[in-house]
Amino acid sequence: LAKTTQPISMDSYEGQEVNITCSHNNIATNDYITWYQQFPSQGPRFIIQGYKTKVTNEVASLFIPADRKSSTLSLPRVSLSDTAVYYCLVGDIADYGGSQGNLIFGKGTKLSVKP
Amino acid sequence: NAGVTQTPKFRVLKTGQSMTLLCAQDMNHEYMYWYRQDPGMGLRLIHYSVGEGTTAKGEVPDGYNVSRLKKQNFLLGLESAAPSQTSVYFCASSATSGSLNEQFFGPGTRLTVL
Repeated sequence: LAKTTQPISMDSYEGQEVNITCSHNNIATNDYITWYQQFPSQGPRFIIQGYKTKVTNEVASLFIPADRKSSTLSLPRVSLSDTAVYYCLVGDIADYGGSQGNLIFGKGTKLSVKP
Repeated sequence: NAGVTQTPKFRVLKTGQSMTLLCAQDMNHEYMYWYRQDPGMGLRLIHYSVGEGTTAKGEVPDGYNVSRLKKQNFLLGLESAAPSQTSVYFCASSATSGSLNEQFFGPGTRLTVL
């Protein structure tokens, strides 16, 4: 089981770059790393996914070192609307056949962006 | 497209009562999931399905049952509700395996068991 650990909370100011790190020491060879954003009273929303090295999309970058035991979500120039809880997800589910599947979410990092 | 919808949005049960939560998706996704979210615990996988007619256990399956009779629907049942099952329940779907593809989440069902 890939257990994940994230900081409980982070504070930032508008316009700054924010980096949130997730530790996943037991990550399996086939596991991908995915990050989600969640606003109050809503379901999580996909941000970015990667397997190794660096991935970038229009909203974030994901850095994964060679040993894959951690990952860092980078949000460039945050705004007030980026205030949310951010979750990293590691793992995979077995194809149907009776094996227990595991998709392990971290407990989330509450990011507060101040003006 | 409605995406992923959940019914009901809120429910209050008494201990020992039963109920079924309905999840529906209109994206023709193969994979569907049920999670529960408790304060300070993140999301925990209850059960999942890799296609119509299949179900499998996740991290916290005890006290729940599921069925996937139609591809677009995934039902979560509580046969005898307990206060420990007070939580927010999220359904999600994805085109393929969870770690390889984006999961789309519903708005959640807030369940209180007295």
